[in-house]
Amino acid sequence: GENVEQHPSTLSVQEGDSAVIKCTYSDSASNYFPWYKQELGKRPQLIIDIRSNVGEKKDQRIAVTLNKTAKHFSLHITETQPEDSAVYFCAASPPGYALNFGKGTSLLVTP
Amino acid sequence: GAVVSQHPSRVICKSGTSVKIECRSLDFQATTMFWYRQFPKQSLMLMATSNEGSKATYEQGVEKDKFLINHASLTLSTLTVTSAHPEDSSFYICSARFPYPNEKLFFGSGTQLSVL
Repeated sequence: GENVEQHPSTLSVQEGDSAVIKCTYSDSASNYFPWYKQELGKRPQLIIDIRSNVGEKKDQRIAVTLNKTAKHFSLHITETQPEDSAVYFCAASPPGYALNFGKGTSLLVTP
Repeated sequence: GAVVSQHPSRVICKSGTSVKIECRSLDFQATTMFWYRQFPKQSLMLMATSNEGSKATYEQGVEKDKFLINHASLTLSTLTVTSAHPEDSSFYICSARFPYPNEKLFFGSGTQLSVL
């Protein structure tokens, strides 16, 4: 099955700096790569996703890049704000299958 | 985004009792729903895939007789933790897949189960 690795497990940045979280996946059939943000005690919220026919996608301060050849994808958050502090999960799935999640990255943005 | 409702949000039960958790897709029909389990400060672990009108597919290591899943309609899936024990205490969270071609996954609000 799909195996998703995520790094780093914790990330601390100063407000205004950029944050980058990286994930790798194992199943070359995977074609859907979402990113979720989870605040303490709350449900994961989809923040951005990318499909395998696209190399990069951007939504305001958030961008995701995908390298299918290397089987890795990354989340980039620019101009970080304290409210960006949360746990971020990457995930991957082949068509029609369940999402497999990375272990999560705890992001702390300090003022 | 689409709305997935999950109830109850929190339940405390005695050891040996059964607990039912409901997951509903409120504004779309979901042929597939997924049940995840999350321990504190850990990732989401897939327990089972629930398909409307057919038996659930369980992940390795998940006891199907202990975690009963029913997906009787396109908008409702239920997870019943039978004969609960303290080690079953966890955060259970469901998710529903939006129909093709969107196929985005939306999560319920989760259920914190505490077994005494």
